[in-house]
Amino acid sequence: NAGVTQTPKFQVLKTGQSMTLQCAQDMNHNSMYWYRQDPGMGLRLIYYSASEGTTDKGEVPNGYNVSRLNKREFSLRLESAAPSQTSVYFCASLLLRQTGGKAFFGQGTRLTVV
Amino acid sequence: ILNVEQSPQSLHVQEGDSTNFTCSFPSSNFYALHWYRWETAKSPEALFVMTLNGDEKKKGRISATLNTKEGYSYLYIKGSQPEDSATYLCAFLTSYGKLTFGQGTILTVHP
Repeated sequence: NAGVTQTPKFQVLKTGQSMTLQCAQDMNHNSMYWYRQDPGMGLRLIYYSASEGTTDKGEVPNGYNVSRLNKREFSLRLESAAPSQTSVYFCASLLLRQTGGKAFFGQGTRLTVV
Repeated sequence: ILNVEQSPQSLHVQEGDSTNFTCSFPSSNFYALHWYRWETAKSPEALFVMTLNGDEKKKGRISATLNTKEGYSYLYIKGSQPEDSATYLCAFLTSYGKLTFGQGTILTVHP
């Protein structure tokens, strides 16, 4: 049981380049999330998808786009990378249900934009 | 913007001390309050999920309480051990599926 799988684990981009971070979960969860982690700022929500077919902005959506490709997959795209997007990115999934769910996380993607 | 605030930002304690952290969250659209433990170079792992006002959860030496009416939750660690050193995150889950984290409390337990 793989849980939440993120690719790639590491990436270096030049300013202005584009890339897509991939995330897939095999737990039949309905909700998926993208966060960025910066020193002293915890996890900040970029975008989320509460259910297949829906996506919504989080706290820091500027410069990013997302696609909920199907129930399993939720990708994050940087169209024109900027040094300010240097960060560690985490994907998470959750089963929203009466017991309140709990989130499971991928291993993270360390992105450096030079 | 949903403000989820944690305090303190960091905490240094001696082995054997008991400690507690606070998480405050909005009163509207509440669905659940989560606590996570996050060790360096790993991904966050869930400790507790609480949904009802007055909920109390316990796992070994760690426990948590929830007050949804006033919008706060406490995490308690009894008899801290060096292996408890980690960042502790709380997260507020709305009824429409948005999961927002606080900035975390970094706990260091000195032997």
